[in-house]
Formats: sequence, structure tokens, C-alpha cells
Amino acid sequence: SAVISQKPSRDICQRGTSLTIQCQVDSQVTMMFWYRQQPGQSLTLIATANQGSEATYESGFVIDKFPISRPNLTFSTLTVSNMSPEDSSIYLCSAGQAPGNEQFFGPGTRLTVL
Amino acid sequence: LAKTTQPISMDSYEGQEVNITCSHNNIATNDYITWYQQFPSQGPRFIIQGYKTKVTNEVASLFIPADRKSSTLSLPRVSLSDTAVYYCLVGGFYNQGGKLIFGQGTELSVKP
Repeated sequence: SAVISQKPSRDICQRGTSLTIQCQVDSQVTMMFWYRQQPGQSLTLIATANQGSEATYESGFVIDKFPISRPNLTFSTLTVSNMSPEDSSIYLCSAGQAPGNEQFFGPGTRLTVL
Repeated sequence: LAKTTQPISMDSYEGQEVNITCSHNNIATNDYITWYQQFPSQGPRFIIQGYKTKVTNEVASLFIPADRKSSTLSLPRVSLSDTAVYYCLVGGFYNQGGKLIFGQGTELSVKP
């Protein structure tokens, strides 16, 4: 299993600013992902965080808006850039060892943009 | 990716068995069926995964008929703490780089 922590747990930000969310795993993992979840809604995959290379983004998400870093096998960051109120959501990271194996999720970062 | 359809919500009482059915008519040969559970203010948690017939673990059972176009998650003797959203996911995770695509989920409410 893997234990995942995220920082910050929540934040309130002003429109036009950027926020970087950190995801730390307590063991080395092969796969890391970032999701967004609106209150009361399901999870939407933002991107796959690739270690040592550019992230792979899902349709509707772009690198300029959601730059992602993954410098090693235990850590990743997601930046929400030039925020607007529509970016208010919960952002979650997940990690797994191999496709098909269970994934472990962080507790999420609750972002409110004013 | 196969589309999944689940009931939006279900109600149950403590001690009852709960069965949540997921339809996935377009499931592909190499697709697995996986269920995750999400409590409020937490990330999803893996419950069970299967390919065909029946899978059982300490938490739940997963029943998959021969045509694999649906699956049923069975929770025995639920308690109040089983109140959560349950997601059915279908995919050939091995050739999708491990990506999980979540559907709408079923909100289960367990009452005393």
C-alpha cells in the first residue's frame, strides 16, 4: 500500500493568482495522476504525471493552465494558473505501482477562488 | 472506454445486504471491472476488482455474469459507516497506462 499526503489541504485564493499543490507518496511508485472533483460530482482526470518527462493531459486540460512536475518517484506538483472562480474544486492526486493494480488517493486539496 | 451506468442513489438499513449493479454493455475483452468507495472529504479507496464470475474479499463480493455486460457489488450486512459513494470503473488498465475514468457513482445512504 501507499500513503499519500497533499499540501495544502485547503486554500482560498484571489482571481488571477496561481497555486501549487504538492503530492507526496511514502514509497516509490510508478504511476501518479491528478484529478479534479467538483462538490457533489465525480472525479475528472486532469493528467498523468510522468517522471522525468512532460505530463500527459486529458482532453480539456492544457499545460499552460495546469503545469505539472514530477521530479522523482515519490513527489509531484500541480499548479493551477491564472485562477478564476470556475477553478474552485477539490484537487486529488493518486498513485499506483502498475496498471491494473489498485490506486491510492490523497485526501485532496479544497481550492476556493474568489 | 466502456461507458458505465449505475443508480444515482440507494438507501438501506443497518444489517442489510446491499447490491449495487453497474451496466457496461460495451465492455471490451481486455477490460477489468473495478469498484472504488469514497467517503465525504476523502479520496476514493479501492474495494474490489474482477474479470469474470465471482470475486470475494474481506469487504465485498463482485458478481460478473458470463456476458460481462453488467456487474454487481455486494456489501454484506452494511453499517452506518458504509455510507459513501461507490464508483464502478471499467477499463483495460494495462493498455491505458493505469488511468482511471470515473463515472457518476452511486451514493449509498445507510440508515439506523
